[in-house]
Amino acid sequence: DGGITQSPKYLFRKEGQNVTLSCEQNLNHDAMYWYRQDPGQGLRLIYYSQIVNDFQKGDIAEGYSVSREKKESFPLTVTSAQKNPTAFYLCASSRESGVHSPLHFGNGTRLTVT
Amino acid sequence: EDQVTQSPEALRLQEGESSSLNCSYTVSGLRGLFWYRQDPGKGPEFLFTLYSAGEEKEKERLKATLTKKESFLHITAPKPEDSATYLCAVQAKSYNTDKLIFGTGTRLQVFP
Repeated sequence: DGGITQSPKYLFRKEGQNVTLSCEQNLNHDAMYWYRQDPGQGLRLIYYSQIVNDFQKGDIAEGYSVSREKKESFPLTVTSAQKNPTAFYLCASSRESGVHSPLHFGNGTRLTVT
Repeated sequence: EDQVTQSPEALRLQEGESSSLNCSYTVSGLRGLFWYRQDPGKGPEFLFTLYSAGEEKEKERLKATLTKKESFLHITAPKPEDSATYLCAVQAKSYNTDKLIFGTGTRLQVFP
């Protein structure tokens, strides 16, 4: 079955360490996205990529970095510069960017930084 | 400022008790409005896209409607398996096509 795989499901890190969250899709989608979900807030866009080797900052990109070397993969690195990294991170993809292509989400990675 | 507000925050229903969830939006030009369902610990699952006032979409016990200021997700004769958080998201013309503004969701619990 086609879908989006995020790993790991749970991740624990010490403050000051960088951590990379994995996102792989086999839907042959061009666009991929990273969102952050916090209690009581709507999903917020971190980064998105419409095509391989290109990506754009979302609303809350500070302290995060991404790469898009392959169509299937869009890893997110949470750096030590991110002031409040503990959150639920969701990766998504869409067939193409735009209103006519709804997002397909992975099942998330819950990151806890202490 | 573009904004999406969902109400109520939480809703408890008896099985079979129909109700509606609200998503009101303030955006400068609507491209589209999306409804998603999210189960605990999972990613959101796409339900509907609505593009213009007056449009309606249906899927099993769910029906989504759209006006110029808000959208409703009507749930008819809900079952316990309909329990989830329902998210609304809006794509506005003032942004590039990749920006969605999400509401905070309505947490629905349906009891047998």
